[in-house]
Amino acid sequence: SYELTQPPSVSVSPGQTASITCSGDKLGDKYACWYQQKPGQSPVLVISQDTKRPSGIPERFSGSNSGNTATLTISGTQAIDEADYYCQAWDSSTYVVFGGGTKLTVL
Amino acid sequence: QVTLKESGPVLVKPTETLTLTCTVSGFSLSNARMGVSWIRRSPGKALEWLAHIFSNDEKSYSTSLKSRLTISKDTSKSQVVLTMTNMDPVDTATYYCARIRVASGIYYFDYWGQGTLVTVSS
Repeated sequence: SYELTQPPSVSVSPGQTASITCSGDKLGDKYACWYQQKPGQSPVLVISQDTKRPSGIPERFSGSNSGNTATLTISGTQAIDEADYYCQAWDSSTYVVFGGGTKLTVL
Repeated sequence: QVTLKESGPVLVKPTETLTLTCTVSGFSLSNARMGVSWIRRSPGKALEWLAHIFSNDEKSYSTSLKSRLTISKDTSKSQVVLTMTNMDPVDTATYYCARIRVASGIYYFDYWGQGTLVTVSS
């Protein structure tokens, strides 16, 4: 079965750039997307189709996907960005796959 | 305005069957490029995809839970129903329904319901 691996936690200082990775076999051949989930709230799509930002998502969120790794980058990270982040992809045998999630802490 | 809302019991006993309903508005379950999925998050764990259904009634299930899950839809009522049999305390989770957007190789959830917390306990 297909698996996506994320670091359990990432820490960043306010105003700095946070990078969250998502690794999977030939992930670059698939489309990756990213969700943000804050405590007590539903997930919110922040990046679709590797790089597309939905309406209403701040420009500081960006995505890339190549080789075996997709990356979510948050530039000028703010305290409000502190949340759990999940990558997700579609695989023809496993169907929908989520990464294990990354807790972003803004120190 | 697209909305999804989950409903169902907040407490079920072990071995019982859970039935959850997702009522959608702002889009039609007959739309060819959209579907609805069920996803859950157990306390302290990651998101876990459970099942999906599309307008043509195509259904797929998580391989690990396939034997326990059934998904169906009533397009006239704008509802998607998930049943999960033989509930266990490890199934305690917040259950979400979400709208799927699909295209060639593309699959993502653009709208999510508020989620419903289901506790499995005797």
